[in-house]
Amino acid sequence: AQKITQTQPGMFVQEKEAVTLDCTYDTSDPSYGLFWYKQPSSGEMIFLIYQGSYDQQNATEGRYSLNFQKARKSANLVISASQLGDSAMYFCAMSLSNDYKLSFGAGTTVTVRA
Amino acid sequence: DTGVSQDPRHKITKRGQNVTFRCDPISEHNRLYWYRQTLGQGPEFLTYFQNEAQLEKSRLLSDRFSAERPKGSFSTLEIQRTEQGDSAMYLCASSLGSGGVNTGELFFGEGSRLTVL
Repeated sequence: AQKITQTQPGMFVQEKEAVTLDCTYDTSDPSYGLFWYKQPSSGEMIFLIYQGSYDQQNATEGRYSLNFQKARKSANLVISASQLGDSAMYFCAMSLSNDYKLSFGAGTTVTVRA
Repeated sequence: DTGVSQDPRHKITKRGQNVTFRCDPISEHNRLYWYRQTLGQGPEFLTYFQNEAQLEKSRLLSDRFSAERPKGSFSTLEIQRTEQGDSAMYLCASSLGSGGVNTGELFFGEGSRLTVL
C-alpha cells in the first residue's frame, strides 16, 4: 500500500516570502500521480497542482510549483510570494496506476503573517 | 453553482441513531468518492463509484456504513447505529475519467460534519 508522509504539522511564513511544504511518498508502482490540495477553514478541498511520475518537468501553476525528486520520492510544494489568503491546511496526495482514489498525507498547516 | 454539493452540512445526532448524507456530484462526472476526515488529519478513503457501480470499499467502511449511487448521479452515505467514533467530516468528491492513472483533480464538496453525542 502507498504511504504519504508530511512531517511538518505547522509552519509560519511572512507575507510575500516563499514557503516549502515537504512531502515524501512510498510506492513500488512506477506509474503514479502526485497532487497537492489546499483546505481553508471553510473545509472545502481545493486542487492546486498535479505531477505525473513520468513527467520530465516539474509542475507549476501560478504561484505554486512542485519540486519533484523521483529518486528521493519527494514532491515538495513551493508557494511563492505568500499571501494572507494562503493560510490554510495543505495536503499532499497520491494515486497509483489503475487506482482512481487518492491517498492523503496528514497535512501541514500554513499561517501567513502580515 | 455547479460544483459538488453535500447535504446536510452539519448533523448532530445521538449515539445509536441512523444518519444519511447526500452528495450531488458535478453532473457530467462519472466517478464519485466518499472520504472521512477527522480533526487535524487528512481525508481517508471510504468508497468509490464509477457510474452506479460501487467498485471499491475501504476496510474503514464497517457493516454499519452503506453507500449507494442508484442512477449514477447523486449518492447517499448511510451510517446505522452511530457511535461517537463516527464523529467526523464526511467529504464527497467527483471526477471525470476513464482508465489508467488518475491524472485529473477530484472536485470536493464542502463536506457534511457529523457529531455523535
